[in-house]
Amino acid sequence: SQQGEEDPQALSIQEGENATMNCSYKTSINNLQWYRQNSGRGLVHLILIRSNEREKHSGRLRVTLDTSKKSSSLLITASRAADTASYFCVHTGTASKLTFGTGTRLQVTL
Amino acid sequence: EPEVTQTPSHQVTQMGQEVILRCVPISNHLYFYWYRQILGQKVEFLVSFYNNEISEKSEIFDDQFSVERPDGSNFTLKIRSTKLEDSAMYFCASSDRTSYSYEQYFGPGTRLTVT
Repeated sequence: SQQGEEDPQALSIQEGENATMNCSYKTSINNLQWYRQNSGRGLVHLILIRSNEREKHSGRLRVTLDTSKKSSSLLITASRAADTASYFCVHTGTASKLTFGTGTRLQVTL
Repeated sequence: EPEVTQTPSHQVTQMGQEVILRCVPISNHLYFYWYRQILGQKVEFLVSFYNNEISEKSEIFDDQFSVERPDGSNFTLKIRSTKLEDSAMYFCASSDRTSYSYEQYFGPGTRLTVT
C-alpha cells in the first residue's frame, strides 16, 4: 500500500459541526480506506471506497474519491466528542500491508 | 461482532529478555499482520503472514523478531532479546482479503515497555 497525505494535520470543531478531512496520493489505486485511531489505541477501519466509486456513505460518514485529482475526502456529519481521534487514509494496490501517514488529528469539543 | 484480541495489554521487561506477544485473530481470517507504534510516531508495518509463512516483512523485522501460528487460533510475535528502542505499542491485525477488499481489523494493542 502507499501512504496517503492527510490534510489538515489538526482540526478542532465543536460538537454538532461537520468535519472534513482530505487525503492526497500519488499512484494509481485499487481502493482507498479510512481508519481511525483513538489516542494510541488500536486502529478501526471506517470505510473503503473502490477506485470505480465516486462517493460512499456509512452512517455519519461520507467519503468521496476523485481519481483524476488523486484525492479523497472524509466528511463526518454532526460530530460528537467521541469522534475525537486521528484519522488516516490508506490506499492499496496489490500489496496487503498498510502504510500510515501522520493523519489528521480531530478534536471535537463540547 | 468478532474482534481481534491481544494479550497482555501491557508488558514490562528488562533489556535483553525475550518477550512473546499474543494475538487471536478473527476466526475465519487467513492473513495476519503485526504493526508497531513508538510513542508519538506513525504506525509502522512489521510483518505479514499467510499460509504459515511470512509473506512480507519490513526492515524493522530483523533476526530478533519472529512470528508463529502455533495452533489454529493464536498468532504470536516473539522478540528474542529486547532493546530499549523496542518499547512501543504492538498491534496485531487480520484480514480475509477477498478479491477487492483489504480491510484489516486491528486488536487493541500490547504496550511493551523495555527498561
